[in-house]
Amino acid sequence: QKEVEQNSGPLSVPEGAIASLNCTYSDRGSQSFFWYRQYSGKSPELIMSIYSNGDQEDGRFTAQLNKASQYVSLLIRDSQPSDSATYLCAVNMGSGGSNYKLTFGKGTLLTVNP
Amino acid sequence: GAVVSQHPSRVICKSGTSVKIECRSLDFQATTMFWYRQFPKQSLMLMATSNEGSKATYEQGVEKDKFLINHASLTLSTLTVTSAHPEDSSFYICSARDSGWYNEQFFGPGTRLTVL
Repeated sequence: QKEVEQNSGPLSVPEGAIASLNCTYSDRGSQSFFWYRQYSGKSPELIMSIYSNGDQEDGRFTAQLNKASQYVSLLIRDSQPSDSATYLCAVNMGSGGSNYKLTFGKGTLLTVNP
Repeated sequence: GAVVSQHPSRVICKSGTSVKIECRSLDFQATTMFWYRQFPKQSLMLMATSNEGSKATYEQGVEKDKFLINHASLTLSTLTVTSAHPEDSSFYICSARDSGWYNEQFFGPGTRLTVL
């Protein structure tokens, strides 16, 4: 069964620190990887996409992908209390064609303490 | 990112009634939309994949006769919960795939359904 694994947390970091969120996936053929942020009671919001090995940076966020290790991570620099949320790792494990389903991890709850 | 809307944002209904939820992509065409359900403190559960102009594909364990999906245009998909019961109370969220962005899905704000 195709799976995406995340540490459920909670992960607690002080304000200004770097938060590191990790995710592993089971399907070696996966091509697209995403990080979503979900505040309590709200729907997920796409914050990062990554498709090739290496780093992808956007502001305070950096996504890292290592396909050989089947590992994707999200770093949040200069963490702010407003970053406190559940972070969902999502992987497109489709084998091509019209299969665009995402497989989600269960999410990591991040708390940034002022 | 692309914008997806959902209506209504919240609905309370009596047991046995049907509820329709609309999902619209506002600034892009979505050939594929997805419907998810999320219970409190649980992860997203994909219910079905909706393709414009064709029948939806339901995930295992999701009753297609209870959760009717119609994707009649490139910007609109609807989910109808038929004969709703209290156990159907949940947070229903749609997402839309923007074919201009490689496999990225953008979520609507969700609909909170409470069945009395």
